Amino acid sequence: DQQVKQNSPSLSVQEGRISILNCDYTNSMFDYFLWYKKYPAEGPTFLISISSIKDKNEDGRFTVFLNKSAKHLSLHIVPSQPGDSAVYFCAASDVGGGNKLTFGTGTQLKVEL
Amino acid sequence: DAGVIQSPRHEVTEMGQEVTLRCKPISGHNSLFWYRQTMMRGLELLIYFNNNVPIDDSGMPEDRFSAKMPNASFSTLKIQPSEPRDSAVYFCASSLQGLSYGYTFGSGTRLTVV
Repeated sequence: DQQVKQNSPSLSVQEGRISILNCDYTNSMFDYFLWYKKYPAEGPTFLISISSIKDKNEDGRFTVFLNKSAKHLSLHIVPSQPGDSAVYFCAASDVGGGNKLTFGTGTQLKVEL
Repeated sequence: DAGVIQSPRHEVTEMGQEVTLRCKPISGHNSLFWYRQTMMRGLELLIYFNNNVPIDDSGMPEDRFSAKMPNASFSTLKIQPSEPRDSAVYFCASSLQGLSYGYTFGSGTRLTVV
């Protein structure tokens, strides 16, 4: 039972354009959402997060949007750069689950020159 | 701090053999997590510890898998006997309890069972 879903396994975007990565979740108890970025042969690293009391959080070129009614969040990268090419994982946690994170399957982003 | 240290980086073993993966968390972190990455299921939580105590092992696939954390600076994940379907990248992560964004992952162990 995949509680966090990333339905696009891959995404290709041109340098300078916007990258939009999507994530859906099914567990209504999730109250904190995160995006992790992973390069080959490395572990995932934290990118940006959002609490369920907000609908948007911005950090430089990265913005995460949360639509609780639709149980959907997205990560926007503007402008996209070649160094952004990586696998992006969506993750979620709920207050009752301590700090256990449930991850999605990941989206491979390729930013082309 | 050197970060979360996992060993070995790569492991190739024959079906039926015992495999032990090792993890040294970041000093001061009191939560430790073992994840497995596969194409089909992404990052799956296998087990996690708070203050060296196993809290949730519901993700451990079978009795063939076991994990221990004898002290705050060391954890092992053991597979006995190993099977080809166990082939995956296994990640260890640590954090301060209560801080979801504070996960720090190791570089992973790529396990291949032939």
